[in-house]
Amino acid sequence: EAQVTQNPRYLITVTGKKLTVTCSQNMNHEYMSWYRQDPGLGLRQIYYSMNVEVTDKGDVPEGYKVSRKEKRNFPLILESPSPNQTSLYFCASSSIPVLAKNIQYFGAGTRLSVL
Amino acid sequence: AQSVTQLDSHVSVSEGTPVLLRCNYSSSYSPSLFWYVQHPNKGLQLLLKYTSAATLVKGINGFEAEFKKSETSFHLTKPSAHMSDAAEYFCVVSEGPGTASKLTFGTGTRLQVTL
Repeated sequence: EAQVTQNPRYLITVTGKKLTVTCSQNMNHEYMSWYRQDPGLGLRQIYYSMNVEVTDKGDVPEGYKVSRKEKRNFPLILESPSPNQTSLYFCASSSIPVLAKNIQYFGAGTRLSVL
Repeated sequence: AQSVTQLDSHVSVSEGTPVLLRCNYSSSYSPSLFWYVQHPNKGLQLLLKYTSAATLVKGINGFEAEFKKSETSFHLTKPSAHMSDAAEYFCVVSEGPGTASKLTFGTGTRLQVTL
């Protein structure tokens, strides 16, 4: 079954304690992306990756890092989380976006609370 | 630059009555447009997409949307609402050639269906 898997689904942490949210897809997709969802703001893109070792900033990259060492994995790293990073995070993947027609598949989300 | 505006943050309809969720977009190129649905505590699921073919697009669960270039709109409709349609709906735009398949989300419309 085609899927995007995020872990953990729920996470409560404290300010400054480094954390990683993992994302894995089994569809051999080149493109992967991270979004955060906040009430009244919709989803905003944090980082995206066009392929292995190719990453770039989205609209709200501050405070986040990503890496793409393998095609299937795209972890999101918060080196020093702050309360304003409390949010619902989604990972997504798609095949190479030709003419922007490709569907993005979303993970189930990770709800993060930073105290 | 691309943007999308969902004109209603909350819509309430009675079961069996028509649904209209409004979306206007702005894009420098020929856009691709999508509607995604998010049920409570779930990830995002693609309802339908427009990618420069037929302007009336049919999606899953009886939903459809019409691309109107002159009005820069992509409203989502359904003839008869069902209780299971209660969810949050996102209108999404993705620009054409030369961009990295960046999705820009609207702020969402929460659909409530009452008996």
